Amino acid sequence: EPEVTQTPSHQVTQMGQEVILRCVPISNHLYFYWYRQILGQKVEFLVSFYNNEISEKSEIFDDQFSVERPDGSNFTLKIRSTKLEDSAMYFCARLRLGFTDTQYFGPGTRLTVL
Amino acid sequence: RKEVEQDPGPFNVPEGATVAFNCTYSNSASQSFFWYRQDCRKEPKLLMSVYSSGNEDGRFTAQLNRASQYISLLIRDSKLSDSATYLCVVNDNQAGTALIFGKGTTLSVSS
Repeated sequence: EPEVTQTPSHQVTQMGQEVILRCVPISNHLYFYWYRQILGQKVEFLVSFYNNEISEKSEIFDDQFSVERPDGSNFTLKIRSTKLEDSAMYFCARLRLGFTDTQYFGPGTRLTVL
Repeated sequence: RKEVEQDPGPFNVPEGATVAFNCTYSNSASQSFFWYRQDCRKEPKLLMSVYSSGNEDGRFTAQLNRASQYISLLIRDSKLSDSATYLCVVNDNQAGTALIFGKGTTLSVSS
């Protein structure tokens, strides 16, 4: 059973367009993350979100990116003006607190920018 | 810059073989260590956490050497279903901090 679901599974967009990727937790959690993976490359951290605020972000997460939790449930990643190099898999993850805090990933959204 | 380096692979082994993957990490302050498995075009899935005392889960054994900043994964009696990319991952163990991924090592098990 997935920890989170993501929509859409695949998004195709034209360069310069805005896209919104969505992450829906199965149950109520406080910590969320966005990662991306360009084809053939390693998984890279974008941003973490705790209690409705950004807690950490990488150098990749520049002004064209934003995150929010508009309705207290869905967690969104917005890319304002997509570039060709934004083509990647985008994974949402949530944190399970425990002896070792562990992140569990959603199935991802494949973004293709043409 | 925090980095995680892994064996480049790919590893091609027959069923039943034992295979070992290695990983080094650059941030000596790292507190949590993991192996994730990733199938082609799928999400990373947690295989196991790695503890200083070493830990075993069935055919999988993970070891951590903090002094050398080195992590290993041993797979015994390889199955066809073990074919995947194995990702070495670390973080600071403060809740909310980013995971740092290695590029992964690809394993192909053949009959």
